[in-house]
Amino acid sequence: EPEVTQTPSHQVTQMGQEVILRCVPISNHLYFYWYRQILGQKVEFLVSFYNNEISEKSEIFDDQFSVERPDGSNFTLKIRSTKLEDSAMYFCASSFEGSPKRGELFFGEGSRLTVL
Amino acid sequence: DQQVKQNSPSLSVQEGRISILNCDYTNSMFDYFLWYKKYPAEGPTFLISISSIKDKNEDGRFTVFLNKSAKHLSLHIVPSQPGDSAVYFCAASSRSGNTPLVFGKGTRLSVIA
Repeated sequence: EPEVTQTPSHQVTQMGQEVILRCVPISNHLYFYWYRQILGQKVEFLVSFYNNEISEKSEIFDDQFSVERPDGSNFTLKIRSTKLEDSAMYFCASSFEGSPKRGELFFGEGSRLTVL
Repeated sequence: DQQVKQNSPSLSVQEGRISILNCDYTNSMFDYFLWYKKYPAEGPTFLISISSIKDKNEDGRFTVFLNKSAKHLSLHIVPSQPGDSAVYFCAASSRSGNTPLVFGKGTRLSVIA
């Protein structure tokens, strides 16, 4: 069964360092997303990506964040200068249809980021 | 700003009994609702959804009920099984565009054998 894969599963970094989280969405999916979950809190939307550009982003997704689809398979989230409050589980998701009314999102297992 | 609220952080149910997980929403533009299940160290997985044109959707042991006037939905699991023990997230979206899913904080269900 096709799945969304994420690397690394856990990354520990120092405050101010750059971090890149990687995702391989399901191959025939067209829409890509990053969500995050701070421990004990809700799953929060960060950004959606379609046709090689951001289609929507939340207030969380400020200038420190960027996304890229450098080739036909990877979808990356970059945090330029990490802050303590960026510590969270970051989930990548993909879907074939952009509107979730027809297709649910398929989530990866998450990348846990710990900023010290 | 909690547009989707799951007021019970946890729920314990005996195996074989019914589990009822509740979710309230505040945004009247939401018209599509989903439940996701999450096991530890895994990403959320889609469970069941309902459109606002319906008030009930059933899939095996899982049924979702929607009360639009009360802006409330619930997930019923019957009979509950130990493998159902997980965190359940309610999520909502608007049909008007490619709006992202808005999630609740989740309810941790423990099914006791």
